[in-house]
Amino acid sequence: EIVLTQSPGTLSLSPGERATLSCRASQSVSSSFLAWYQQKPGQAPRLLIYGASSRATGIPDRFSGSGSGTDFILTISRLEPEDFAVYYCQQYGSSPLTFGGGTKVEIK
Amino acid sequence: EVQLVESGGGLVQPGRSLRLSCTASGFIFGDYAMSWVRQAPGKGLEWVGFISSKTYGGTTENAASVKGRFTISRDDSKSIAYLQMNSLKTEDTAVYYCTRVGRNGYNKGDYWGQGALVTVSS
Repeated sequence: EIVLTQSPGTLSLSPGERATLSCRASQSVSSSFLAWYQQKPGQAPRLLIYGASSRATGIPDRFSGSGSGTDFILTISRLEPEDFAVYYCQQYGSSPLTFGGGTKVEIK
Repeated sequence: EVQLVESGGGLVQPGRSLRLSCTASGFIFGDYAMSWVRQAPGKGLEWVGFISSKTYGGTTENAASVKGRFTISRDDSKSIAYLQMNSLKTEDTAVYYCTRVGRNGYNKGDYWGQGALVTVSS
């Protein structure tokens, strides 16, 4: 099983700042089958990034993903008020599919 | 517009069974695999399993935590995916989401339902 470790657990930032979220895998993620999701309280997760770096439909370009192998990054270039939420990475290249524990981005 | 609507959640005693349904609309249901993901109260996301499209044999995969107890099935004529949960345990208490994924199941979830709460308690 591929274990995904997200860091930091909580990120305290102000609107307009840049957010950098990390997702590290215990073994290589095949074909960069790595996705990022955003979840707000009381809502279902929303797909942001797939294939490590491709933005999902309708996702603003301030969200970007990078990385390969075991190290992946989600960057939010300039935080908007609606971006404060919990972010999860997921690998979907091998069974069992697994999620990271999440990073909460909160308002400083 | 793609929509996924879960139903069938509720309160159930340990050891009993429950079946969740996920009714889909806005896309050709048979072309996609469907997956279930759960979230225990205050916790992170946990993949439960998927069923591939008929093109990929309608095969299923499940997480170890539910293997032998949970079964995923589909009815393409009704555009519904099911999660049959047997021998429920208190640790199965969670919001259960259905998600649309790529044909073979090894894919991202690009659309999610609003979730169905399952509470296992005596």
